[in-house]
Amino acid sequence: DTAVSQTPKYLVTQMGNDKSIKCEQNLGHDTMYWYKQDSKKFLKIMFSYNNKELIINETVPNRFSPKSPDKAHLNLHINSLELGDSAVYFCASSLGTGLAGVTGELFFGEGSRLTVL
Amino acid sequence: DQQVKQNSPSLSVQEGRISILNCDYTNSMFDYFLWYKKYPAEGPTFLISISSIKDKNEDGRFTVFLNKSAKHLSLHIVPSQPGDSAVYFCAASRRTGGGNKLTFGTGTQLKVEL
Repeated sequence: DTAVSQTPKYLVTQMGNDKSIKCEQNLGHDTMYWYKQDSKKFLKIMFSYNNKELIINETVPNRFSPKSPDKAHLNLHINSLELGDSAVYFCASSLGTGLAGVTGELFFGEGSRLTVL
Repeated sequence: DQQVKQNSPSLSVQEGRISILNCDYTNSMFDYFLWYKKYPAEGPTFLISISSIKDKNEDGRFTVFLNKSAKHLSLHIVPSQPGDSAVYFCAASRRTGGGNKLTFGTGTQLKVEL
């Protein structure tokens, strides 16, 4: 029973298209994240939501729009895809935000590999 | 600006021996450090962590050492097993106001040979 699941696992698309990646967690966590791993293997945070509220928003182009319909789901929509968006996108969740001074363990999904041609 | 560095992209160790993975950081505000393990086509999984108030944390075969003055941490795996072959990511965060915003290194590929 997958704790953090992402769909699709692989996505190949043309430049200029709009695509979405979905994420769901069944751990009962209240905080979810999107991380991006680029070609140089850097794993960087993009967004974090706590109970559907945005709490971390790194310097990410406006073409990326996260949406959290409820605390178990965090979707990532990307408009006007560019070549540089090709990466593996990881969703994660944790119990708590870490803002209270206690860093919570993050549970990651398997990743969604996006290839923009 | 790469605040967390893992300078060894790969490490090969014989089964039964000790594996030592190293990590350096530059941001003195980091006060919590974690190691994640990643198999191919899977997401990273939490392995072990250490707070900056400690210099050692042990969990079974895994021990993490922290040298704050050198801004250096290391993960020791002993004895190493073939199933330990994976990419190991070092990560750091700030507990106060940092949220769970982890800053990751680029990973070290560990191969444990028979």
